[in-house]
Amino acid sequence: KQEVTQIPAALSVPEGENLVLNCSFTDSAIYNLQWFRQDPGKGLTSLLLIQSSQREQTSGRLNASLDKSSGRSTLYIAASQPGDSATYLCAVLPVSSGTYKYIFGTGTRLKVLA
Amino acid sequence: ETGVTQTPRHLVMGMTNKKSLKCEQHLGHNAMYWYKQSAKKPLELMFVYNFKEQTENNSVPSRFSPECPNSSHLFLHLHTLQPEDSALYLCASSQSASGGADTQYFGPGTRLTVL
Repeated sequence: KQEVTQIPAALSVPEGENLVLNCSFTDSAIYNLQWFRQDPGKGLTSLLLIQSSQREQTSGRLNASLDKSSGRSTLYIAASQPGDSATYLCAVLPVSSGTYKYIFGTGTRLKVLA
Repeated sequence: ETGVTQTPRHLVMGMTNKKSLKCEQHLGHNAMYWYKQSAKKPLELMFVYNFKEQTENNSVPSRFSPECPNSSHLFLHLHTLQPEDSALYLCASSQSASGGADTQYFGPGTRLTVL
């Protein structure tokens, strides 16, 4: 059964720091992996989607990498800003569970201090 | 705004009440989803509708009853809920539920409290 773990659960950093959020999953047979952002009391916003054949994706100050064989992904945020404060969720789409049943981690709650 | 709206945003109900959550998407998608997000737990998929047909019921208790009258609207009818059903209920949509790589777009959620 696929499980997704995100470490750390919470992170507080000063503005301007580069930071890395980690996601690990137990079954490497996945279609893709997505990183989402969730602001308090709000829904989820998709940040980056990495297909199983890809190694990384970039969008602005965000870079996500995928190492399928080791079951790991990282989300790198460059030059962090207070507006980056949110919960970041990682989700994988396992091959075994169909084409839409994402398995989510519990998230990393990020606070960027001004 | 993601193009997915949910109403109401907050709901407080007693265990004997009947209420409904509504979701509407303006993206022309064909698949819609209900998720439950409880405190300190991962998001759980509840139901999936693809082209108005229910394709997934993730062992959800019968006190939750979904309805999808068309590809743009999704309802979750609630009755005889328990306090442990208090959570954030998120609706999402995607182009279809058979592509494998379709991004899901999420609504803002309904914060449900069951007293």
